[in-house]
Amino acid sequence: GAVVSQHPSWVICKSGTSVKIECRSLDFQATTMFWYRQFPKQSLMLMATSNEGSKATYEQGVEKDKFLINHASLTLSTLTVTSAHPEDSSFYICSASFARTEQYFGPGTRLTVT
Amino acid sequence: DAKTTQPPSMDCAEGRAANLPCNHSTISGNEYVYWYRQIHSQGPQYIIHGLKNNETNEMASLIITEDRKSSTLILPHATLRDTAVYYCIVTSGNTGKLIFGQGTTLQVKP
Repeated sequence: GAVVSQHPSWVICKSGTSVKIECRSLDFQATTMFWYRQFPKQSLMLMATSNEGSKATYEQGVEKDKFLINHASLTLSTLTVTSAHPEDSSFYICSASFARTEQYFGPGTRLTVT
Repeated sequence: DAKTTQPPSMDCAEGRAANLPCNHSTISGNEYVYWYRQIHSQGPQYIIHGLKNNETNEMASLIITEDRKSSTLILPHATLRDTAVYYCIVTSGNTGKLIFGQGTTLQVKP
């Protein structure tokens, strides 16, 4: 199957700082990338959908000014958590798809805000 | 997208077939059934998907009832590495969005 990478795999930051997470599709061009968040013992929650060259579409209740998403190329999307607080600590997972087919997920990024 | 119902947990003996059920009684004609699984602390992995015909690939088989209101994912010879949370998702594919429910935690035991 297709390979999607995320960087970093884990990050610890101080409250009030910003953190950027990268998502790359390594062997295919992703027309659409998705960002999810997962809290312990819970399911994945879709945060936003991004299409290359377009503004991201955020799910209801997700603050677009706090979670900045950029999808500048067909192989790279970034999620920036701005002014992070402890309640933003979570497992962030991206996925990529081509032409609305099945999604391929990255390994996830564990964010801890102290 | 139609909602799905899955049992919260199941056990399976190693080497035996694991049959994971999913109910999707409100599925519409243009909606697909997708299965993903998530091994602890990893990103989900695509398994298989189908519209109305049964499907098989190297990982699993997907059996969809004729009325499309339910389906079963079959792992023919479960191994310990198949222990994971399995998600059944119904989507039309128009937006490409996947909405994850709580899934079924499959525990494969030696």
